Parts: sequence; C-alpha cells; structure tokens
Amino acid sequence: GAGVSQSPSNKVTEKGKDVELRCDPISGHTALYWYRQSLGQGLEFLIYFQGNSAPDKSGLPSDRFSAERTGGSVSTLTIQRTQQEDSAVYLCASSLGTARADQPQHFGDGTRLSIL
Amino acid sequence: AQTVTQSQPEMSVQEAETVTLSCTYDTSENNYYLFWYKQPPSRQMILVIRQEAYKQQNATENRFSVNFQKAAKSFSLKISDSQLGDTAMYFCAFTPSGTYKYIFGTGTRLKVLA
Repeated sequence: GAGVSQSPSNKVTEKGKDVELRCDPISGHTALYWYRQSLGQGLEFLIYFQGNSAPDKSGLPSDRFSAERTGGSVSTLTIQRTQQEDSAVYLCASSLGTARADQPQHFGDGTRLSIL
Repeated sequence: AQTVTQSQPEMSVQEAETVTLSCTYDTSENNYYLFWYKQPPSRQMILVIRQEAYKQQNATENRFSVNFQKAAKSFSLKISDSQLGDTAMYFCAFTPSGTYKYIFGTGTRLKVLA
C-alpha cells in the first residue's frame, strides 16, 4: 500500500516568509510524528498526534512553529516568519498506535527546507 | 534522562565484508523496544531491524543481525556481506513500552567501498 507522503519535497523561501509542510500518513495509522533533522544530525522530535487526544507539542522549538491534524489524517506543520536556522529536513512518520516492536514508525521522504 | 549513544560518527567497510555498528542506551525501564533505521541519500528512513527487550534471542533479518546485551544496555548492528546499497546513515532508536516517544541516536554514516 501507499507509504507516508510528504509535500513539497523541497522548499526554498526567503527569511521572514511563512511555510506549510504537509504529511499524509499511511491509511489507518492513528499516530503521527514530526521530526526535524538538521544537516548531519539526528532526529529532533517536534510534535506527536494520537487519534483524538491532545497533541504532544513539547518538542516545538518556538511559538513560530505549529501543527495541526485534520480529521485524524493529514497533518500540516506551519513555520511562521522563517529564520535561517529553520533550514533542515522535516520528516513525518506514522504508526498504528503506541510504540511497539510490531508497530514501528514508517517515515516519509521528508521536506528539505532552505531559508535564504 | 533516556539517551541513545552512537559513538561512531563514520565507518567504512569493503564490499562483501562484515561491519558492526555500536549503540548504547540509558534507561531505567525494564520493557522497551529497540530499532535500527537506515537513511540512504534519498532521505527516507527505512526500518532495518527491531528487538523487544524481553526477548533474549537476538533479532535477525537476512544480512542484518543484532547483538542485544540488556545488562550492558548495548544494541549493536552487524551487517554481513556488505553491499554498495548499504551505504547510508544508520540510526539506533529506543522507545519505552506503552509510550510513543522515540529517542534516536545521532547516527553512524556507513560507506561501503567497492
């Protein structure tokens, strides 16, 4: 079946502009994650959605970052007034539910965001 | 705090040889899951292998196997008969049972040489 889909694949924008990144999880997956991966670094947790529960936003680095998940499916990560340090690959992942070995995360290809 | 440490930022191996990537973690949990993910230049994170902490038997997936030492909190990945397509970043990840938080290591960049 279809995997996690992210769009756009690449985004170049000027400092100060707002950007929206989209994630379409695997059908039936109730859990959705956003991560940020700076060049040559590991994955930095941003936000987690699980079903209808309140999201865990503890990883969002500033109030310029926000995310929503509509209808328990597609999610949008919004970065307002972008700054150069926001340049990174933004990865989305989904899973069937709470982390288990038989319910691993499945990742999208990511969006490479470049702030000029 | 729960942490995952990958002490080898970069490694290389000759094609057809065997290589072992190290991963250690720190937790007070007794039940948890461990994963190795591969990230080739295409960027997509691909699950390589998974291990449940309560299982003593080491997981194996074709050319990939792990050496899970629970007491030592070590979870190394062995790649046998290395292939050029194994060239990628490899991330070790840990998640406590019943939670959703994954803790990732900083990765090991593996290059397979022809």
